[in-house]
Amino acid sequence: DAKTTQPPSMDCAEGRAANLPCNHSTISGNEYVYWYRQIHSQGPQYIIHGLKNNETNEMASLIITEDRKSSTLILPHATLRDTAVYYCIVRTSGTYKYIFGTGTRLKVLA
Amino acid sequence: NAGVTQTPKFQVLKTGQSMTLQCAQDMNHNSMYWYRQDPGMGLRLIYYSASEGTTDKGEVPNGYNVSRLNKREFSLRLESAAPSQTSVYFCASSDRATNEKLFFGSGTQLSVL
Repeated sequence: DAKTTQPPSMDCAEGRAANLPCNHSTISGNEYVYWYRQIHSQGPQYIIHGLKNNETNEMASLIITEDRKSSTLILPHATLRDTAVYYCIVRTSGTYKYIFGTGTRLKVLA
Repeated sequence: NAGVTQTPKFQVLKTGQSMTLQCAQDMNHNSMYWYRQDPGMGLRLIYYSASEGTTDKGEVPNGYNVSRLNKREFSLRLESAAPSQTSVYFCASSDRATNEKLFFGSGTQLSVL
């Protein structure tokens, strides 16, 4: 499985867009990018995933570069409730070995 | 619809004691997982079960055993607990029908003294 690299922490002003980067330079063609977040000590929550194309849902947008070596999770209008640890994960299609890294601790500031 | 249910929520053990953490899901998912999370750290995969009847080691399997009892249940056993196993344990499930999104339980806080 490809490894991911994320900044350990980021701050974002409330109401502004939060852009969380993830580097996965060794990703293969059949590997998906998933994003999860963990609020306090709760179980992680799924946000979004993608393979090649950009994706958007009610929670966030996922932008994957054309060479697929990096991606950005965008929270369009961050709120205080978005303060959490965000994990970027690469998973090979057909496998189940989900490996979480250390994630990015996002703090949304009032 | 309960999702993924873990029991117990809290447990304190003495070194050398054994116990089993229980996990059940009611979403008819094929795959189930056990993770541990140490304070201030990310999640580490202990074992996973891609489908009923199969189990595989994750990143940190030493000191643990698992049983996929049926499609719904996936248990994690500590045969001889050690202080290094003090952690929060999360169970999760996924299925191809939902794009292999992981659904997590609320966790078990385990302390080994």
